[in-house]
Order: sequence, then C-alpha cells, then structure tokens
Amino acid sequence: RKEVEQDPGPFNVPEGATVAFNCTYSNSASQSFFWYRQDCRKEPKLLMSVYSSGNEDGRFTAQLNRASQYISLLIRDSKLSDSATYLCVVIDNDYKLSFGAGTTVTVRA
Amino acid sequence: NAGVMQNPRHLVRRRGQEARLRCSPMKGHSHVYWYRQLPEEGLKFMVYLQKENIIDESGMPKERFSAEFPKEGPSILRIQQVVRGDSAAYFCASSPGQLNIQYFGAGTRLSVL
Repeated sequence: RKEVEQDPGPFNVPEGATVAFNCTYSNSASQSFFWYRQDCRKEPKLLMSVYSSGNEDGRFTAQLNRASQYISLLIRDSKLSDSATYLCVVIDNDYKLSFGAGTTVTVRA
Repeated sequence: NAGVMQNPRHLVRRRGQEARLRCSPMKGHSHVYWYRQLPEEGLKFMVYLQKENIIDESGMPKERFSAEFPKEGPSILRIQQVVRGDSAAYFCASSPGQLNIQYFGAGTRLSVL
C-alpha cells in the first residue's frame, strides 16, 4: 500500500466552479500535512499547510481527518490559473516528505 | 533572495556515463534534500544532508548513487554508470532547519539514452 494515495483525476471544471478532492495516508503517526502545487514540468510549490482544525486561505480550504486518515482540499470559484497538479504531502518524521502522485485539475473557460 | 538553484535543468547521458546534478540552497539554508520523480509518480525522498554530513540516505539506491554537501559549494548528486531507469526529474529542496518548510528548486531532468 502506498504511503500517500490520491485520485489522479483529471478533474475538469468550468471557471467559477467548486472542486474538491481527497488524499489518504497510511501512517497513523504522521505528524504534518501539506498541499503543494506543481505546474507542468516545474517544481512543487507550497500551497498551504493543513491543520487539525481545518484551515482556509482565500478560495482554498483544507481539512484533516485523523480518524479516517485523509486530507481534503476544496477550491472555490475556480480560476483558469488554478489548473495544476495538486500534491498531497505527509511528514512522518521531522523532515522526510512523502508525496502523493498528485491530482490534476483543469479549469476551462 | 535567490531561490534554490539547480543545474543543469536538462541533462542527457548515454548508458554507462556519469551524471552530476548540482543544487545551491537558498541563502541561509543549511539543510538540503534530494527527491526523485519518475513519470506519473510522486516525488520520492532520496537523501537529506547538512553541511559536510549525510543525515539520512535511506531513499538512495544502494549502488551507483552518492550525494555530498561540502563545506563550500553546492550539493552534488552523482549517478555513476547511468541506466535508462535513472531517467527522471531530480528535485532538490532546502530549509533553514530540520523542522522548517522545504523550498524546491526547478529540478534537473535527466534523460538516459
């Protein structure tokens, strides 16, 4: 079983729509959780950290469910510029990032 | 403040040659991490280094791969006698401390012919 699993998508949505997707992780002792964004053939960039109580950053909302071991990301009012691959990242110890394979989102005009 | 710099951006090697990938961390960062991304897969941790020390190399293949981060100069990921399966994107990240956010470089795309 992979450490971090994501639905690869793609999620094709019109501008202005809401899109949401999940990520599951296998290690119940995982400590920290993040969403990174990766544009085609470029480096991953931190989108947001994920806190136990859930957190929001503009149009992006992240949730953590430790009991079921999943993390979610919701994007409201989608923009064309939101088209990217979203990487779920889990830290099991202090530094080793475990990445999911990514969920591809395409926002169309 | 320049970000994490990796070079070359693209590297083509024939089977059996050596590949050297360089990573200069962000200013003020002394922790460097290397990850490999195979096509259609997530990034996989390879090695974690601090200046002159390898802290964790649990993700490195046992043979042909080595990494260093000398007192002066960039971190180097070295792959000897490359094979086609080494073709991947190799990303370097850096952080100011072990518990801090990791910032990624643009990666080196290695193609083995």
